[in-house]
Amino acid sequence: EDQVTQSPEALRLQEGESSSLNCSYTVSGLRGLFWYRQDPGKGPEFLFTLYSAGEEKEKERLKATLTKKESFLHITAPKPEDSATYLCAVQALVAYKLSFGAGTTVTVRA
Amino acid sequence: EPEVTQTPSHQVTQMGQEVILRCVPISNHLYFYWYRQILGQKVEFLVSFYNNEISEKSEIFDDQFSVERPDGSNFTLKIRSTKLEDSAMYFCARGTGTGRTDTQYFGPGTRLTVL
Repeated sequence: EDQVTQSPEALRLQEGESSSLNCSYTVSGLRGLFWYRQDPGKGPEFLFTLYSAGEEKEKERLKATLTKKESFLHITAPKPEDSATYLCAVQALVAYKLSFGAGTTVTVRA
Repeated sequence: EPEVTQTPSHQVTQMGQEVILRCVPISNHLYFYWYRQILGQKVEFLVSFYNNEISEKSEIFDDQFSVERPDGSNFTLKIRSTKLEDSAMYFCARGTGTGRTDTQYFGPGTRLTVL
């Protein structure tokens, strides 16, 4: 069974204080690892797909990286509008369903 | 702009009643998924639907659940006899169906409350 563990559960940052979120995964053959952003009461919003170890993707203040067992989401100089829950999910080679982690809730204070 | 829209946004029902949740794609897609998220818990996969057939389903998706695409456009999830534990956010997602992965774009969700 695919397993996704995210840490920390919650992260409180001061505006401009950079930090990283961790996603550890176990999957029987990785098709892709996904990062989503979820605002309260809303559906997950797609951010990145990573396919193989060593890959990096960037979007504004967010940068996602991938190793064989983990992915990191780096938030550089965050702003209050970056406050959200960030979800990590894996897609195995044998299926297209996504297996999600519990998420990291990021709060950025002005 | 959402890739799919979902109706209703909030559904309140009595235990034992049937509910139908609807997903309306913005354009013509073949790959669809239903997920649910119980308050404070992970997003969980329910079922995937490709070309008008179920392609994969989870253990959660038992006989009380069904999916169909009745008019070739709208995509529905039916829960035949709701239980208290069915209270959750239900998300429809459409897949790209191309490339190395199937990137999934989620709708805004339907909040189901079972009393």
